[in-house]
Amino acid sequence: DAKTTQPNSMESNEEEPVHLPCNHSTISGTDYIHWYRQLPSQGPEYVIHGLTSNVNNRMASLAIAEDRKSSTLILHRATLRDAAVYYCIPGSNYQLIWGAGTKLIIKP
Amino acid sequence: NAGVMQNPRHLVRRRGQEARLRCSPMKGHSHVYWYRQLPEEGLKFMVYLQKENIIDESGMPKERFSAEFPKEGPSILRIQQVVRGDSAAYFCASSPDRGHYEQYFGPGTRLTVT
Repeated sequence: DAKTTQPNSMESNEEEPVHLPCNHSTISGTDYIHWYRQLPSQGPEYVIHGLTSNVNNRMASLAIAEDRKSSTLILHRATLRDAAVYYCIPGSNYQLIWGAGTKLIIKP
Repeated sequence: NAGVMQNPRHLVRRRGQEARLRCSPMKGHSHVYWYRQLPEEGLKFMVYLQKENIIDESGMPKERFSAEFPKEGPSILRIQQVVRGDSAAYFCASSPDRGHYEQYFGPGTRLTVT
């Protein structure tokens, strides 16, 4: 399983973009990069996933480095509702391996 | 389209009792996964089921824990003779047939063993 490194926490101002980094230097060629988030006292929520190319959806964008050893989740305009723990999870099957994630704090 | 439903949301059991946790996947999803989250820790995979089949139970404790996903009705995670260490949040997720990469989680069942 690929080892991931994420900052323990990050702060951002409301309505500004947020870039959440993740290092996964031991990722294998078949591993997708998944991002999930977990709001306080709730179940995790799927955010986005990608393999090699950058990906966009209604929630966020995922920028994947050319060597795939790192990726960045981009929230284009953070709101207070985006305050959560964000998990970067490389993997190629259904067993999601969860690390500690990054706690995102949004300041009004 | 209703999301993944879990009940009960909170469950209190005394040591030695049985706990039954139920999960109804999203409509059209035939894959169900159970995860456990201990306080201040990340989620840990427990078991992956499809209708009437256990595909992978490598994350389940060998004793006291069992899971099923019958042809009709919700998936059930059953914990017999609960101990204090079983106190945790148990999350169920489901995914569509197109792949496992999008798992949709329920709100969880918070089990407290007294």
